[in-house]
Amino acid sequence: EDQVTQSPEALRLQEGESSSLNCSYTVSGLRGLFWYRQDPGKGPEFLFTLYSAGEEKEKERLKATLTKKESFLHITAPKPEDSATYLCAAGAFGNEKLTFGTGTRLTIIP
Amino acid sequence: EPEVTQTPSHQVTQMGQEVILRCVPISNHLYFYWYRQILGQKVEFLVSFYNNEISEKSEIFDDQFSVERPDGSNFTLKIRSTKLEDSAMYFCASNKIDRGSEQYFGPGTRLTVT
Repeated sequence: EDQVTQSPEALRLQEGESSSLNCSYTVSGLRGLFWYRQDPGKGPEFLFTLYSAGEEKEKERLKATLTKKESFLHITAPKPEDSATYLCAAGAFGNEKLTFGTGTRLTIIP
Repeated sequence: EPEVTQTPSHQVTQMGQEVILRCVPISNHLYFYWYRQILGQKVEFLVSFYNNEISEKSEIFDDQFSVERPDGSNFTLKIRSTKLEDSAMYFCASNKIDRGSEQYFGPGTRLTVT
């Protein structure tokens, strides 16, 4: 069974304090690793797709990386508007569903 | 920028009643999905739909659930006889021709069963 585990569950950072969020996955044949941002009461907002180990993607203060077992979402010099829950999801070959982790709730303190 | 839209944003219903949740996927997308998120829990896959038929469904998607694309723009989820445990956020998603591509999610419908 496909599994996605995210850590930590919650993270509080001072504005400007860089850190990383972790996503471990167990998928039989990864077709894509997806990062989403979710604000309270809203739908997941797409951020990145990673397809193969060693791949990196960047967008503003966020950078996502992928290994054969994990993905990291690095946040550099975060701002209060980066506060949200960050979700990791894996898709496997042979099926269409995304398997989500429970998310990391990120709070940036001004 | 095109978006997935969902109506209503909040639906309150009594146990045993039927509800229909509506979605308008992004116009050039061909694959459609429903997910749900019980408060404080993970986003869970329910069903995928392509070419006017279900292509995959989870164990959650039992005989009480059905999906339909009644016209060229809408995609609906029907729950025939709601239970208390059906209370959740329901998200519609869609993606393009390639199933491996990212799925774009709507804002969700909060379903409350009393």
